[in-house]
Amino acid sequence: NAGVTQTPKFQVLKTGQSMTLQCAQDMNHNSMYWYRQDPGMGLRLIYYSASEGTTDKGEVPNGYNVSRLNKREFSLRLESAAPSQTSVYFCASRSAGVGYTFGSGTRLTVV
Amino acid sequence: RKEVEQDPGPFNVPEGATVAFNCTYSNSASQSFFWYRQDCRKEPKLLMSVYSSGNEDGRFTAQLNRASQYISLLIRDSKLSDSATYLCAVSWGATSGTYKYIFGTGTRLKVLA
Repeated sequence: NAGVTQTPKFQVLKTGQSMTLQCAQDMNHNSMYWYRQDPGMGLRLIYYSASEGTTDKGEVPNGYNVSRLNKREFSLRLESAAPSQTSVYFCASRSAGVGYTFGSGTRLTVV
Repeated sequence: RKEVEQDPGPFNVPEGATVAFNCTYSNSASQSFFWYRQDCRKEPKLLMSVYSSGNEDGRFTAQLNRASQYISLLIRDSKLSDSATYLCAVSWGATSGTYKYIFGTGTRLKVLA
């Protein structure tokens, strides 16, 4: 099925560890996004990529880095995980004028 | 004031009832409007776009009130399966280089048997 694929689905990290969340879409969308969702805070944009080769900071970029590897793939890296980064992470892609298609999410716990 | 606001609910309604949610936005230059549905521990899924003249998709009706700066979602004949959180989203700046797409925090709906 066409859509956005995220891996892993669950992850537990110790404080200070690093990890990369992977995301791929097969809808030929130019724009891709990383959000985090926390109770009562809604979806907050971490980073986005409007097109292949470009990335920009969103609302809450601190502690994260991204790579737009090609048109299909957009990864999110946590270099030194902190408990405040415990959250549900969603990757999404979008075509102009259309709503987002989200991946199924990554539940990350940092202990 | 938040850029996009929703009543968090929960809205508890019996099966078969009609329920409506509103979503207010602060930027009068907002251009595009959407409703998403999010089931517990799942990703948000686009439910419908909201057009200026209003639009309907089965039991769901979306409307835009630009004068008062809100959008609404009406669900008729509620089903148990409609229980979910409904997120609104508003965007602006598509042609100005300062594009923003903001989600509300969601309204939780529980349809009771």
